[in-house]
Amino acid sequence: GAVVSQHPSRVICKSGTSVKIECRSLDFQATTMFWYRQFPKQSLMLMATSNEGSKATYEQGVEKDKFLINHASLTLSTLTVTSAHPEDSSFYICSASRTANTYEQYFGPGTRLTVT
Amino acid sequence: GNSVTQMEGPVTLSEEAFLTINCTYTATGYPSLFWYVQYPGEGLQLLLKATKADDKGSNKGFEATYRKETTSFHLEKGSVQVSDSAVYFCAFREGAGSYQLTFGKGTKLSVIP
Repeated sequence: GAVVSQHPSRVICKSGTSVKIECRSLDFQATTMFWYRQFPKQSLMLMATSNEGSKATYEQGVEKDKFLINHASLTLSTLTVTSAHPEDSSFYICSASRTANTYEQYFGPGTRLTVT
Repeated sequence: GNSVTQMEGPVTLSEEAFLTINCTYTATGYPSLFWYVQYPGEGLQLLLKATKADDKGSNKGFEATYRKETTSFHLEKGSVQVSDSAVYFCAFREGAGSYQLTFGKGTKLSVIP
């Protein structure tokens, strides 16, 4: 149990366009979802935390107008990278947990974004 | 600030070799410690955890002991298999009331027959 999926797994987009990444909890309800970014040979860096029906909480240095997060249901969160630029190319990973304060986060397989 | 330092990879071992992946952390308070594993094409999975000093987490033949005096949580396995090939991430979570995980950079392990 506790499967998290992400779609798409890979996406290539042109500079200036927007791209949406979906994160779904397939067999449980996720009250809290997390979005991470991972650069090659680097740690996963938390970008934002979203609770269902609330605005996301962004980490310091993450532009909320550039990385739009929507958590409209208990099984779906979306990350939209707006006006993407090559420096936004990265591996984006989501995770989900049943409650806000549990240590158990279930991770998606990640989405590789390449901006040309 | 808070951080996790784990040995850099890649690590290549022969089947049945002994594995150690070092991990040290810098944190305030009394964090919980974790090892996650990421198999090719899959998401991170919790491998094992320890929530207080001297606790030993274990799973699938892997072990790690929470050493507060050395702020370490080294991952060990006595005899690795080809199926253990993956990227291993050390992480910690601050004490009660915090959900945030701090990760190391990951160590890629390749086990050859």
